[in-house]
Amino acid sequence: NAGVTQTPKFRVLKTGQSMTLLCAQDMNHEYMYWYRQDPGMGLRLIHYSVGEGTTAKGEVPDGYNVSRLKKQNFLLGLESAAPSQTSVYFCASSGTGAGNQPQHFGDGTRLSIL
Amino acid sequence: QQPVQSPQAVILREGEDAVINCSSSKALYSVHWYRQKHGEAPVFLMILLKGGEQKGHDKISASFNEKKQQSSLYLTASQLSYSGTYFCGTESLSGGYQKVTFGTGTKLQVIP
Repeated sequence: NAGVTQTPKFRVLKTGQSMTLLCAQDMNHEYMYWYRQDPGMGLRLIHYSVGEGTTAKGEVPDGYNVSRLKKQNFLLGLESAAPSQTSVYFCASSGTGAGNQPQHFGDGTRLSIL
Repeated sequence: QQPVQSPQAVILREGEDAVINCSSSKALYSVHWYRQKHGEAPVFLMILLKGGEQKGHDKISASFNEKKQQSSLYLTASQLSYSGTYFCGTESLSGGYQKVTFGTGTKLQVIP
């Protein structure tokens, strides 16, 4: 009963390095999301996808790219990491239609950029 | 634009009641409520759709007034397990898609 799985759980990067965060869901959900959570800021949407092959920008997309080549996977990329991207990253998924479907969250990835 | 939650933090003794408010400047299709315990992922509590409906989950209930673009979460006879940060998520139309935007959260601490 996996639900939403994020890898890795922790990562420390140096400024300028790149990395990819992986999100996988086994619920056949159409919608997938990437959020970042910073103290006092709540959950802010980075990018989202409404189906395989689609992506859209959220509130704070700068410095990030995403891809959804397979329905079950949603990848978040940092091309050139900056200290301002130190955060906890959550992936979530929901069924068809964002409104009346709850979002299911992964356990998060704690990312530190030095 | 993030919805505004109030209060930002509240401390309750076991058995006391609390109300958490969420308001938005945008027309809303629905409101979501989630609870997050420290170091864990947010967990879904309930969704309220248009129609001014109220929903309940154990001793936690909520209301949604779409005309005022507001929702309130009611916690009655609070238990220690209610401690955590509560987030509302407001659903609106953006770029042709329905999208949920989360508030900054209300930190609730229940003490014995």
